[in-house]
Amino acid sequence: KAGVTQTPRYLIKTRGQQVTLSCSPISGHRSVSWYQQTPGQGLQFLFEYFSETQRNKGNFPGRFSGRQFSNSRSEMNVSTLELGDSALYLCASSLDIHYGYTFGSGTRLTVV
Amino acid sequence: KNEVEQSPQNLTAQEGEFITINCSYSVGISALHWLQQHPGGGIVSLFMLSSGKKKHGRLIATINIQEKHSSLHITASHPRDSAVYICAVTYAGGTSYGKLTFGQGTILTVHP
Repeated sequence: KAGVTQTPRYLIKTRGQQVTLSCSPISGHRSVSWYQQTPGQGLQFLFEYFSETQRNKGNFPGRFSGRQFSNSRSEMNVSTLELGDSALYLCASSLDIHYGYTFGSGTRLTVV
Repeated sequence: KNEVEQSPQNLTAQEGEFITINCSYSVGISALHWLQQHPGGGIVSLFMLSSGKKKHGRLIATINIQEKHSSLHITASHPRDSAVYICAVTYAGGTSYGKLTFGQGTILTVHP
């Protein structure tokens, strides 16, 4: 069965621009969570969606937002990009919290 | 102080050696996850534990809930085991939805 698909794999954006990243979960998985990985901070939780509802949010500024569609695909958006937003953004899908997670390959965002 | 502490941060081994990576956490959890990340970024979930011990091939994961400690063992290590191994926990309760809290990772290098 297909894994978790993240697009695009790589992205270069200019400071001040906005960006949208996409995550398609495993078929049947209704939970999608997003994480940011940087060399300095490691892996940090951004937010989680289940059946189109945001159930949990990490400690990130409001420039970071997301949504989930009825087919469980999720997008995250970062507005007014800053250099510090350069990171690997990972999404993971799950049946629900008591089940394991399957991660995508990530989107590597570079802000210049 | 990180909520999830891993040791060692770096580990170098010769092929065939038995390897142990440790993880400690500070408060009660609903589950502990061991993840593997290869260069390039993709994360693979190895184990999800809430008690006892699990084994998959040459990998063994154990958890001691009373001591808030888990170990990941690799028997007969091989150069292809070289990767970053990450311990992550999920806490009980509604605020835990999709939220993994990560250790800083252990960089494992296995030489032939």
